[in-house]
This record gives sequence, structure tokens and C-alpha cells, in this order.
Amino acid sequence: EDKVVQSPLSLVVHEGDTVTLNCSYEVTNFRSLLWYKQEKKAPTFLFMLTSSGIEKKSGRLSSILDKKELFSILNITATQTGDSAIYLCAVVVGAGGTSYGKLTFGQGTILTVHP
Amino acid sequence: NAGVTQTPKFRVLKTGQSMTLLCAQDMNHEYMYWYRQDPGMGLRLIHYSVGEGTTAKGEVPDGYNVSRLKKQNFLLGLESAAPSQTSVYFCASRGTAQETQYFGPGTRLLVL
Repeated sequence: EDKVVQSPLSLVVHEGDTVTLNCSYEVTNFRSLLWYKQEKKAPTFLFMLTSSGIEKKSGRLSSILDKKELFSILNITATQTGDSAIYLCAVVVGAGGTSYGKLTFGQGTILTVHP
Repeated sequence: NAGVTQTPKFRVLKTGQSMTLLCAQDMNHEYMYWYRQDPGMGLRLIHYSVGEGTTAKGEVPDGYNVSRLKKQNFLLGLESAAPSQTSVYFCASRGTAQETQYFGPGTRLLVL
């Protein structure tokens, strides 16, 4: 059974702190790993990672994948109150040409940033 | 370009009642998905569709049915609602060549 585990489940920090969110996985037919940010409503896409060791960056957020050790981390530097959200990690699994691109999600990390 | 939309936004049902949730996308995506999100459990796949007229079961399909009569619409039905189906339901879609799924705003369902 495919499994994605995120840690910590919740995190409370103050503005300006740096946080690291973890995502480990055990899946068959790994294709890619996605990070989403979920505020009040729909999850919104942050990053897609397919290759090991290549960092993706967007402003204060960055993420990297380790396919040998089967994990990914999401870093947020100089956190702001607007970073408060649930961060979801999801792994895309597939089976070649007939794949339907199934996403297996972790439980999510609830990040709260206080002023 | 509205992306993925869902109706209704919120609904209260009594046990045993039925209802249909509607998902619509205007991105010409082939693949569509229904998830439910419960506290501490992430998003779990209920049913999915790889194209018009086709549907398949996901991880937690029991108590739900789906239909994809038109490419842009994916309907989720509850024939006899149970309190265990109280949840937030998200629809998502993606194109054939994409990995990223795009989510709708969600439907909050409360079953009493």
C-alpha cells in the first residue's frame, strides 16, 4: 500500500523564523512529488519534484527531493503570518501508459506563524 | 477562465437523504478526481475519471457514486447519506500531459 507521511503534524513559530517540513514516502511506481499550500479553501500548487537533488525555489520557499532516501523537505525562510496554512505533500504514482496519475497525500502539516 | 468550480459550497443533510455534488472545469482536462478531506487524514481519493464516460474507484469509494457524462463535469452522488460522510469534498482535474492537479474550492458537507 502506498504511504506518505509528513512531519511534524503541526508547528507554531514566530515571524522571521525558518521552518523545515518533512515528507517521506513508500510507494510503487514513483513519478513525482508535489507540494501544495492550503489556506481556507482549495490546495494551491507550490512545487513539483521529479529529480533527486535538484532544489526548486520560489521566493522564500524551497524544496528538494531525495529519491534514494525517499523523502522531501520544504523550507520556508523568514516566515510571515501569511505563510500560516496547511502544507500538503503528495506523491504521484503511475503505471506507464495506463497511469491515471493517482495522488497519494500525506496528512499535512499545520503551520501557524505568530506576529 | 474559472478553473475548477464546485457546487454547492455548503450543505446540511439528514441521515438517509441523498444529494449530488457538481464539479465543473473549463480547462479541457481529461482527468478528474473526487477527494474527501478529514482532520489528520490528508486528502483521500474517492473516485476518479480518465475521460468522458469512464469512472473508476479510488481509495474510499463506498457509499458514493459518480458520473462523467460530459468532459467538463464530474458528479459525485450520495444515495443515502451517513454521519461518517461528514467531510470537506474537493474536486480536482488535470490535463493528460500534466502531473499537477488543480483543485476546486471544496464543498463542506454535514450529515446529521
